[in-house]
Amino acid sequence: TQLLEQSPQFLSIQEGENLTVYCNSSSVFSSLQWYRQEPGEGPVLLVTVVTGGEVKKLKRLTFQFGDARKDSSLHITAAQPGDTGLYLCAGARRNYGGATNKLIFGTGTLLAVQP
Amino acid sequence: EAGVAQSPRYKIIEKRQSVAFWCNPISGHATLYWYQQILGQGPKLLIQFQNNGVVDDSQLPKDRFSAERLKGVDSTLKIQPAKLEDSAVYLCASSFRGLENTEAFFGQGTRLTVV
Repeated sequence: TQLLEQSPQFLSIQEGENLTVYCNSSSVFSSLQWYRQEPGEGPVLLVTVVTGGEVKKLKRLTFQFGDARKDSSLHITAAQPGDTGLYLCAGARRNYGGATNKLIFGTGTLLAVQP
Repeated sequence: EAGVAQSPRYKIIEKRQSVAFWCNPISGHATLYWYQQILGQGPKLLIQFQNNGVVDDSQLPKDRFSAERLKGVDSTLKIQPAKLEDSAVYLCASSFRGLENTEAFFGQGTRLTVV
């Protein structure tokens, strides 16, 4: 069972276009992270959002955490070929016993930006 | 600072054979994760360690998969016997404490092909 569903699954756009990736769940998360993964590499953290309604900007990337802490979005302005990769959202939930969190990843969005 | 080290990078085995993967996390990181990633999908958590104890192994197929982190530092993941559907990238990650806002650092992964 995949707790975090991302849409779209695939996205191919031209350089300079804008795009939004969505990460949805019926479960509440204590925080949500976005990672980017390039071929042959492990995911690399882009941002962590913690508070419901929080918005964070990282250059041309804007991240938003839903008010109910169940969903998130990633918006890229003026996409560049270097943005190409697999974008993953990941929600943090308490492990049994409550001492640590486990990180649950979404289904992934594969983005290709054509020059 | 050295990153998460994994070996081998690639492994090809026949079904019903056994295989082992090794991970050395970032020094001082108490939390270690093993994920399985099918091509183009998000990583699925197999097992999470806090120091040398298991905090979550709910999605580990225990009839064929095993993992250990005996001294609370490096870890091994074993599959015995392997099935065709085990073909995937196995990612190891570590984080400082596994709490909210904690970044998970990933290794490059081991790509396993079962033929």
